[in-house]
Amino acid sequence: GQQVMQIPQYQHVQEGEDFTTYCNSSTTLSNIQWYKQRPGGHPVFLIQLVKSGEVKKQKRLTFQFGEAKKNSSLHITATQTTDVGTYFCAHQSGNAGNMLTFGGGTRLMVKP
Amino acid sequence: NAGVMQNPRHLVRRRGQEARLRCSPMKGHSHVYWYRQLPEEGLKFMVYLQKENIIDESGMPKERFSAEFPKEGPSILRIQQVVRGDSAAYFCASSPRLVTDTQYFGPGTRLTVL
Repeated sequence: GQQVMQIPQYQHVQEGEDFTTYCNSSTTLSNIQWYKQRPGGHPVFLIQLVKSGEVKKQKRLTFQFGEAKKNSSLHITATQTTDVGTYFCAHQSGNAGNMLTFGGGTRLMVKP
Repeated sequence: NAGVMQNPRHLVRRRGQEARLRCSPMKGHSHVYWYRQLPEEGLKFMVYLQKENIIDESGMPKERFSAEFPKEGPSILRIQQVVRGDSAAYFCASSPRLVTDTQYFGPGTRLTVL
């Protein structure tokens, strides 16, 4: 599947600071999904973006899909210690269109 | 509604042994996916199955790995003659009968090869 690059790989923030992770592809994506994985846990689906320029919000989380559908971002406002984990972007591709290709993830650490 | 179930949660094998990982999808879900996650890395697709059919196995290593999803019972990921490089977390995900975009992940099986 098409590769997606995710940056940064790690991010340390002080509690209350904002956090952003970016996902980039060299080719147009049909959709982008975001997952959160707590340490020792499993990926939990957060959201899916499909439309060019789409923006969705979930409380302190804001998700964007670029106009060209080649990049996406997840922004967390005023981080809390409960936000700790690794955030992955992923898109669907593959022979049957159901395979998820994941970015490398951004590991967020929040200092209280 | 119980989520995706995987067992065992932790599995230790010695080099050369076989590992069998089980996945029971969510009730009503007939699509199962297996992913592998190496330490500090993202998840990598391995195989996509529907009942009694392998739909896409483009991510499966050619040797030692096999998967099935029988008419009755859980999906099985089987690794023969394990090597240290097989140590990883193996996640199963499922989606409903009607193909949707959301895959629900199980808790994973952490395989350690000694």
